[in-house]
Amino acid sequence: EAQVTQNPRYLITVTGKKLTVTCSQNMNHEYMSWYRQDPGLGLRQIYYSMNVEVTDKGDVPEGYKVSRKEKRNFPLILESPSPNQTSLYFCASSREGVSAAFFGQGTRLTVV
Amino acid sequence: KQEVTQIPAALSVPEGENLVLNCSFTDSAIYNLQWFRQDPGKGLTSLLLIQSSQREQTSGRLNASLDKSSGRSTLYIAASQPGDSATYLCAVQGSNDMRFGAGTRLTVKP
Repeated sequence: EAQVTQNPRYLITVTGKKLTVTCSQNMNHEYMSWYRQDPGLGLRQIYYSMNVEVTDKGDVPEGYKVSRKEKRNFPLILESPSPNQTSLYFCASSREGVSAAFFGQGTRLTVV
Repeated sequence: KQEVTQIPAALSVPEGENLVLNCSFTDSAIYNLQWFRQDPGKGLTSLLLIQSSQREQTSGRLNASLDKSSGRSTLYIAASQPGDSATYLCAVQGSNDMRFGAGTRLTVKP
């Protein structure tokens, strides 16, 4: 089954404790991206990757890092999480940047 | 910078009604427009994708249209059902990014 898998689905952590949210897709898509969704602000893009070893900033990249060492994986790294990064995070992939996007089920992160 | 607006923000209708959700965008230089459904606390499910060269797409009771020159898209839902209750998001694909509207929260009452 074609899918985008995020882990964990839920995470509560403390300020400053590094964490990684994993994202994996099994569709051999070149394009992957991360979004955060906040009430009243909608979905905003954090980072995206056009292919392996190619990443770029979206609208809200501050406080986040990504890497794309393999085509299927695109982890989101929070080196020093802060409470304002409490949000619902989505990973997405598409065959190219302009094709239909498939989304993961989301990761609800709470930073206390 | 592309701005995407969805109207109305919320909509409540009785079961069986036909309804239209609206999406507008400021930059007509798009590659495609996609409509998604999101249930509370869940991920996004793609409903319809319209390429920039297309005018409409249909899937079952759903029909989406695109007028790129005027920066508008509509999602038409026929014979609405309580199971259609969800938030509907439109997203516009540019050269590198996808921009979302804030969504329309739809409630279909039995």
